[in-house]
Amino acid sequence: EPEVTQTPSHQVTQMGQEVILRCVPISNHLYFYWYRQILGQKVEFLVSFYNNEISEKSEIFDDQFSVERPDGSNFTLKIRSTKLEDSAMYFCASSDSGTDTQYFGPGTRLTVL
Amino acid sequence: AQSVTQPDIHITVSEGASLELRCNYSYGATPYLFWYVQSPGQGLQLLLKYFSGDTLVQGIKGFEAEFKRSQSSFNLRKPSVHWSDAAEYFCAVGAKGRRALTFGSGTRLQVQP
Repeated sequence: EPEVTQTPSHQVTQMGQEVILRCVPISNHLYFYWYRQILGQKVEFLVSFYNNEISEKSEIFDDQFSVERPDGSNFTLKIRSTKLEDSAMYFCASSDSGTDTQYFGPGTRLTVL
Repeated sequence: AQSVTQPDIHITVSEGASLELRCNYSYGATPYLFWYVQSPGQGLQLLLKYFSGDTLVQGIKGFEAEFKRSQSSFNLRKPSVHWSDAAEYFCAVGAKGRRALTFGSGTRLQVQP
């Protein structure tokens, strides 16, 4: 069964550093998403991406964040200058054009020191 | 704005007992409703979904959920719980034409032998 994969599984970085989280969505899916879950809190929507542009974003997704589909298989989330409060589990998800069912990857745990 | 409430933070049941996890949502139109499960160290796995039609939906691993519009609820049930069902369960709501899912805060299920 096709899966969404994410790398790395755990990333530790210093405050102020840039990080790039990587995702490989399910191959025939056209919609891509990032969510995050701060420890002990709800899973929160960050951004959705379709046809090489952002289709929807939340208030959390400010200028420090960007997304990109650099090639035909990868989908990335970049945080330009990390803050302590960016520490969270980041989930990538994808869905196809015919349904609104999102399939999630295993997550990347980001720790900002 | 959409919102999801899972009133039970933590539930403990005995193996073989029945299970019901509660989910209440707030949304103006007909929602899309989902249940996801997260095992320790794992991503979010889709258990089942409701878009329209039959209000009783069947999912994987023997789970089912019933959409009750009058109660704004989408409770998850299983007739006989297995030890492997111990995990965190998330209810989520979406909407046609919007890509963001809104998640509840989750219910942690513990299964006693």
